[in-house]
Amino acid sequence: EIVLTQSPGTLSLSPGERGTLSCRASQSVSSSYLAWYQQKPGQAPRLLIYGASSRATGIPDRFSGSGSGTDFTLTISRLEPEDFAVYYCQQYGSSPPLTFGGGTKVEIK
Amino acid sequence: QVQLVESGGGVVQPGGSLRLSCAASGFTFSNYVMHWVRQAPGKGLEWVTFIRYDGSNKYYTDSVKGRFTISRDNSKNTLYLQMNSLRAEDTAVYYCAIFHGGSLAFDIWGQGTMVTVSS
Repeated sequence: EIVLTQSPGTLSLSPGERGTLSCRASQSVSSSYLAWYQQKPGQAPRLLIYGASSRATGIPDRFSGSGSGTDFTLTISRLEPEDFAVYYCQQYGSSPPLTFGGGTKVEIK
Repeated sequence: QVQLVESGGGVVQPGGSLRLSCAASGFTFSNYVMHWVRQAPGKGLEWVTFIRYDGSNKYYTDSVKGRFTISRDNSKNTLYLQMNSLRAEDTAVYYCAIFHGGSLAFDIWGQGTMVTVSS
């Protein structure tokens, strides 16, 4: 089973700042199968990034994804008030199980 | 529009059973692998199980093997999760979700249904 470790656990930033979130895998992950989600309290997760670097439909271009192998990054170039939320990475390999990282909470500083 | 609506959650005693449903609309249900994902209160997301298009293959996370059964009725556009021998650690919001748009990621989620296992 591939374990995804996200860091930091909590990121305290001000609106307008840049946020960099990390997702490290215990073994190599195909970039095609690495995704990022945003979740706000009481809501279902929302897909932000798929294939490590492709933005999902309707996602603003301030969100970008990068990385390969075991190290992946989600970058929010300029934080807007609505971006304060919890972010999860997820991998879907050639065989189950599918796994999620533990999440990074982006909070207002 | 594409929609998933879960139902069937509630409060159940440890050792009890519950069946969740996920009603799908706006897409050809039989063409999609269907997943259940759960989230314990204040915790992260955990993939639980998926079922292939015709129900021929099913996969489960280790913690629910032998206790949960996923199934589908393509004639009713409905996904099910039969949960037996429930434990306190099964308490969570249960979401159904699919890879819909070819992104190989969960781009469609239901609103979730809460399951509470407590005496």
